[in-house]
Formats: sequence, structure tokens, C-alpha cells
Amino acid sequence: GIQVEQSPPDLILQEGANSTLRCNFSDSVNNLQWFHQNPWGQLINLFYIPSGTKQNGRLSATTVATERYSLLYISSSQTTDSGVYFCAVDNQGGKLIFGQGTELSVKP
Amino acid sequence: DTAVSQTPKYLVTQMGNDKSIKCEQNLGHDTMYWYKQDSKKFLKIMFSYNNKELIINETVPNRFSPKSPDKAHLNLHINSLELGDSAVYFCASSQDGLGSNTEAFFGQGTRLTVV
Repeated sequence: GIQVEQSPPDLILQEGANSTLRCNFSDSVNNLQWFHQNPWGQLINLFYIPSGTKQNGRLSATTVATERYSLLYISSSQTTDSGVYFCAVDNQGGKLIFGQGTELSVKP
Repeated sequence: DTAVSQTPKYLVTQMGNDKSIKCEQNLGHDTMYWYKQDSKKFLKIMFSYNNKELIINETVPNRFSPKSPDKAHLNLHINSLELGDSAVYFCASSQDGLGSNTEAFFGQGTRLTVV
């Protein structure tokens, strides 16, 4: 089955810093989503981005489907950005395959 | 107005008991899912239903039985609970899990602890 790898596994930032999270996947996909799991455990949809670029406030994402990777950019990070960021893909199997996540900690 | 809601949020129970988790979505979606998140935060699909029909059963022990009374509800019943069942269980839905619009939305999770 399709493999999803995220990097880095852990990241510590000072408030105000920028960061880039990466998601590599091993096959073509028809769905790619980025989620933020906050410290209370909620899975929050960030982007639905099987291809192209999207922006939402301080966050943006780019998926290059032909090269099988996606990037999540966080600018001017805030302490509320802390949590685990997941990339998940579907390649017409009708189910999301999750990466192992990037655990982000933003320090004040 | 919560889109995907599941109850209870926390569940603590003894080994051997039977318990249920309920899920409802008000998004009008056709497909619903159960995912399990283990202690290392790894998320994996358990089941999916499309219009009340079971589509995916991902080699889950038959102690786990999903039931979909209608396309807005998907419940999960677990018999004879074991310590290893302790995890966070997430319900999710998407417009068309088998087609082109597969963006999934998740409930807040149910943290199950078996003692």
C-alpha cells in the first residue's frame, strides 16, 4: 500500500519563527489533507490539497503531485500552533492513510 | 453547530465489559468512518460505510461491530473489552468516500481506557 512519511518528526520553534513541514508519499493520490491535532486532541482540517497551492492566514500548503510531496508552511508561529501536524492521503482506496505526524512546540 | 459529533468523549471501563460509542454527522455526507489512534498517536482506519453499507473492514477483531442505522449515524460497539483496546477512537465523514470528493471531517474523539 501507499506509504506516507513526514519530516521532521519533532520541531521546536520560538514564537514568531517560520517553519516548513514536509510530507512524502509513495504513489499518486486523489486526496491529500493536512490536519492539526491540538493539545486537547481535536483533529482540525487545515487544507484539502491533492495538488496546487492554498493559503489560509499564516498557513499555506503546496502539493506537487507529480513529485509526490506536499509542504505545509507556518509563518510567524504562535504558541497556539503547538500540537501534532498530520498529512493524510487517499489513492482511491476510499480511506485516508496517515503519516506519523510532526510534533510542533512553539515557545513564548 | 458541530459537524461530526461523537459520544462519549471519555470512557473508562473494566476488561470484559461491552461498550458503545455513538457518532452523528449533520453535513449530509454519504460516507462515514471509524479511525483508531494508538498511544504513539498513529491513526489508522478501522471501518467505512457508504450509505449504510459496509465498504471497508480493515482486519479489525470481530469484537468490534459497527452499525449504521442511517447515513447520518455510525456507531461502534465493542464486546469483551481488552487492555489493548485502550486508544482514542475518531469518527469521520466525507461527501463521497468512493468518488472524487473525499475530504474528511473528524469528530472530537473518544478516549477509551480499559482497566
